[in-house]
Amino acid sequence: DAGVIQSPRHEVTEMGQEVTLRCKPISGHDYLFWYRQTMMRGLELLIYFNNNVPIDDSGMPEDRFSAKMPNASFSTLKIQPSEPRDSAVYFCASSYSGGGGGLGEQFFGPGTRLTVL
Amino acid sequence: GENVEQHPSTLSVQEGDSAVIKCTYSDSASNYFPWYKQELGKRPQLIIDIRSNVGEKKDQRIAVTLNKTAKHFSLHITETQPEDSAVYFCAANNNNDMRFGAGTRLTVKP
Repeated sequence: DAGVIQSPRHEVTEMGQEVTLRCKPISGHDYLFWYRQTMMRGLELLIYFNNNVPIDDSGMPEDRFSAKMPNASFSTLKIQPSEPRDSAVYFCASSYSGGGGGLGEQFFGPGTRLTVL
Repeated sequence: GENVEQHPSTLSVQEGDSAVIKCTYSDSASNYFPWYKQELGKRPQLIIDIRSNVGEKKDQRIAVTLNKTAKHFSLHITETQPEDSAVYFCAANNNNDMRFGAGTRLTVKP
């Protein structure tokens, strides 16, 4: 298995532009998580899905952020419009609950380094 | 919500010595406590985890202890090596809502 795949690996954009980050979880995993990492705030959980359904989006900073998971193998995190304070590394992670809703190890993708100028 | 505090923020040890990182959590419903290692520019990777029905777990040079009553858990690395140098994160997980500590930058000096 290739592990969790994220694209792009690096994104540089200008303030006000729309940014879309993509994630392909490990096949068979039923949970998908989006995290943001900055020096100031550390690792923050933004949102997570179970079986493609958003379960908790309380970590999403504001309405400019949205996430979707149209199927079990693909998720997007969109920022519109982007602002310089959105600059961070965004990680996607997936896990398998074992079917019983239990907690499994979260496997992280390589991350997308976003810079908003 | 859950609040995880991690100490120390930086730790420097001599190769061969032990390193201990401590975390506390606030939500007594948290029941899964993983530890992640993150090397510079790379993704966090799980190194060990413990569930709330276990008090201690060991994997070679790494061990984790959990005190549910006091709501704290610790990572112990023995016989440290230069390649152990990284940032280590603890986390507390309640129903898939995972909260991370701020991280500890461990430096192992040869």
